[in-house]
Amino acid sequence: KAGVTQTPRYLIKTRGQQVTLSCSPISGHRSVSWYQQTPGQGLQFLFEYFSETQRNKGNFPGRFSGRQFSNSRSEMNVSTLELGDSALYLCASSPSGGNTDTQYFGPGTRLTVL
Amino acid sequence: AQKITQTQPGMFVQEKEAVTLDCTYDTSDQSYGLFWYKQPSSGEMIFLIYQGSYDEQNATEGRYSLNFQKARKSANLVISASQLGDSAMYFCAMREDFYSGGGADGLTFGKGTHLIIQP
Repeated sequence: KAGVTQTPRYLIKTRGQQVTLSCSPISGHRSVSWYQQTPGQGLQFLFEYFSETQRNKGNFPGRFSGRQFSNSRSEMNVSTLELGDSALYLCASSPSGGNTDTQYFGPGTRLTVL
Repeated sequence: AQKITQTQPGMFVQEKEAVTLDCTYDTSDQSYGLFWYKQPSSGEMIFLIYQGSYDEQNATEGRYSLNFQKARKSANLVISASQLGDSAMYFCAMREDFYSGGGADGLTFGKGTHLIIQP
């Protein structure tokens, strides 16, 4: 089976712009989660989608949003970019998103905000 | 309060030695999952091993084993016969029981241990 794929792998944006990141889960997985990784804050949970519905959301401002499509592919959007949004954004998929489900991660999208 | 604590920011180990990476966790849930991930410099998080809170046996996956001590809330990763390719960041993570109200934060990660294997 193909793994989780994320596009693009690298992005450079300027403050105030918006960005959309894409994630394709492992075939058959219905849950997609997003995480932000920075040197200062470590790995932080953004949100989780299951069957096109946002099931959980981390402690991030409303500028961070996401959605999931009927084929389980997911996108996350960050509007009005700030310098502090520079990070590695990781997407993970799992079959159903339960606490015993293993989440498999994609290679990440490295976002740089100038 | 930190839910996952990894007390070793960095470790240097000789090739072929066994390595133990420490992880302690904090939860009041009875049902939870514990995970270890490896992150090489390329950035991808690679799943290594899983332990369920109700599992009585310690999990093993090839050279990886998880030393699970539930009463001490400890879930240490043991890598036997370390290899140069094991050099990476290692993260311990937990997900609490979604259906009892926990797990709302997805996976909670520790700050990681940077493992360097020396020839």
